[in-house]
Amino acid sequence: QQPVQSPQAVILREGEDAVINCSSSKALYSVHWYRQKHGEAPIFLMILLKGGEQKGHDKISASFNEKKQQSSLYLTASQLSYSGTYFCGTVQGGSEKLVFGKGTKLTVNP
Amino acid sequence: EAGVAQSPRYKIIEKRQSVAFWCNPISGHATLYWYQQILGQGPKLLIQFQNNGVVDDSQLPKDRFSAERLKGVDSTLKIQPAKLEDSAVYLCASSLVRQGAYYGYTFGSGTRLTVV
Repeated sequence: QQPVQSPQAVILREGEDAVINCSSSKALYSVHWYRQKHGEAPIFLMILLKGGEQKGHDKISASFNEKKQQSSLYLTASQLSYSGTYFCGTVQGGSEKLVFGKGTKLTVNP
Repeated sequence: EAGVAQSPRYKIIEKRQSVAFWCNPISGHATLYWYQQILGQGPKLLIQFQNNGVVDDSQLPKDRFSAERLKGVDSTLKIQPAKLEDSAVYLCASSLVRQGAYYGYTFGSGTRLTVV
């Protein structure tokens, strides 16, 4: 079951904040977040396990609401280097398969 | 540490031809994955190996795709014969342990396949 990401695209000015959402209709065990720049490999950002934990990585953080099967990625004070496509990947309970969403294209302009 | 190595970087073939992609995962990573990424979409898992055994190949079109991971290290993905809809980037990834719940994946740069 492919997770649903929203929005599909977002354009920011440097220094602005953004939120990317990821939701699933199935019970989740974990959520991964990756960033992919054009023509490059996806880069792992962070993983969140069930239990409603929150994680941070520099000015990028994420939360995981296990009850709602939702995760959100928060980018604060965005930098030009944040531009790229962000993918969430979900692992359902009882599965070992990581299924990716369709991605959210983030563009940060000067 | 060295990343996940893939070759070739680009490949253009005619439909009905065959093609093979090679992947060398990070040393010590027992789990290896092949993903297909069509332009504008998220990566889709084709096959997952644990050492040299197949864990999941439910989305691998077995009539034309095959993959092997001899000796539990590097891996080869083959397409024979190729179709136009196989045009995509083929990504190889590896992770430390089997369960993706605990560790992130490290992806290679991918092979961009164009079938004409």
